[in-house]
Amino acid sequence: SAVISQKPSRDICQRGTSLTIQCQVDSQVTMMFWYRQQPGQSLTLIATANQGSEATYESGFVIDKFPISRPNLTFSTLTVSNMSPEDSSIYLCSVDGLAGVDEQFFGPGTRLTVL
Amino acid sequence: EDQVTQSPEALRLQEGESSSLNCSYTVSGLRGLFWYRQDPGKGPEFLFTLYSAGEEKEKERLKATLTKKESFLHITAPKPEDSATYLCAVQASGTYKYIFGTGTRLKVLA
Repeated sequence: SAVISQKPSRDICQRGTSLTIQCQVDSQVTMMFWYRQQPGQSLTLIATANQGSEATYESGFVIDKFPISRPNLTFSTLTVSNMSPEDSSIYLCSVDGLAGVDEQFFGPGTRLTVL
Repeated sequence: EDQVTQSPEALRLQEGESSSLNCSYTVSGLRGLFWYRQDPGKGPEFLFTLYSAGEEKEKERLKATLTKKESFLHITAPKPEDSATYLCAVQASGTYKYIFGTGTRLKVLA
């Protein structure tokens, strides 16, 4: 299994500001995923981050709004830029398929409120 | 378009009252169907992976089954600690992307 930590666990931000969320994994992994989970809704994939390459964004998400860094095999950051109240959500990072095991591990999430 | 629908949205059970949660899916070639448990304020926790119709997996009071169109998560004699949101997700062949349902919020009363 993998142990994933996220910082911060929660934050309250003002409109127009940016917040960077950190995701740390206790194992080296190739792919890291960033999800958004809005209240009462399913998890929506924002982007996939591979070490050494540009992140791949899903439809409806753009790099200018959600820049991602992946400097090494155990760490990634997601920035939520120029925030609006509609960005209030839980942001989750996850990793996939450690040691050939076909399951996905999630971090505890970052609860973001934008005023 | 790949899609996952879970029902019911919410379910209240008395302790010991068995029931089933449903996950209906449409996907262009199923690689795997996944069940997760999510407690409030936490990330989803992996429960099961199912790959082909007819497959079943069990863990304590939970049993997951799979057909070509849907999966069921059977909860036998639930306890209050089974209260959580249960999420279903599918992964299509040839892709790394998971498509999640909106989940079933389960409340087990003592």
